[in-house]
Amino acid sequence: EVQLVQSGAELRKPGESLRISCKGSGYRFADYWIGWVRQTPGKGLEYMGIILPGESKTIYSPSFQGQVTISADKSISTAHLHWSSLKASDTAIYFCTSSYSSARWDYWGQGTLVTVSS
Amino acid sequence: DIQMTQSPSSLSASVGDRVTITCRASQGIRNDLGWYQQKPGKAPKRLIYAASSLQSGVPSRFSGSGSGTEFSLTISSLQPEDFATYYCLQHNTYPYIFGQGTKLEIK
Repeated sequence: EVQLVQSGAELRKPGESLRISCKGSGYRFADYWIGWVRQTPGKGLEYMGIILPGESKTIYSPSFQGQVTISADKSISTAHLHWSSLKASDTAIYFCTSSYSSARWDYWGQGTLVTVSS
Repeated sequence: DIQMTQSPSSLSASVGDRVTITCRASQGIRNDLGWYQQKPGKAPKRLIYAASSLQSGVPSRFSGSGSGTEFSLTISSLQPEDFATYYCLQHNTYPYIFGQGTKLEIK
């Protein structure tokens, strides 16, 4: 069974760093693109970027380029989303997803709530 | 970036009703569009891929149509479990863009 399992909720202060994770299982993690999606009440769902773990090939959405770093460690089948300096506006739910245009391949993590507050 | 305009933003309907949600792309995206359902506290779940193909396990009351710039999602006979928020997603060109969402509420 294919699963994406994300790390737990985080509470941080502005200016702090943070890395959240998404662990894949049940498939060849290195061969399938993983994306990160942000959800906020104000802006809805937004694709942040995608990574192909086997090649560490990464594409960022322009709005998120330079704001976050997406990485993956194929040896532990885990993708990461990293902030070096959080802002209050980073408060959101973050989902990882692996999705292809096919009848069966659309998998999502359970979401990670990140709260940034002083 | 390609912009996706989804309408309506909210919709009130009754069990058994037929409802349609539309998405318009700012430029042609062939059939590179999916429809998602999201319930509170849950991840989005894809219902339709490639604009009109039913995702495995999704009830046949859901259907999608369109190509190019105009797309629609139809629920033929609303069931209680269908009250949720629906999003379109274009994946023709990066950055992938979601529509703004349609909240489907019980009348």
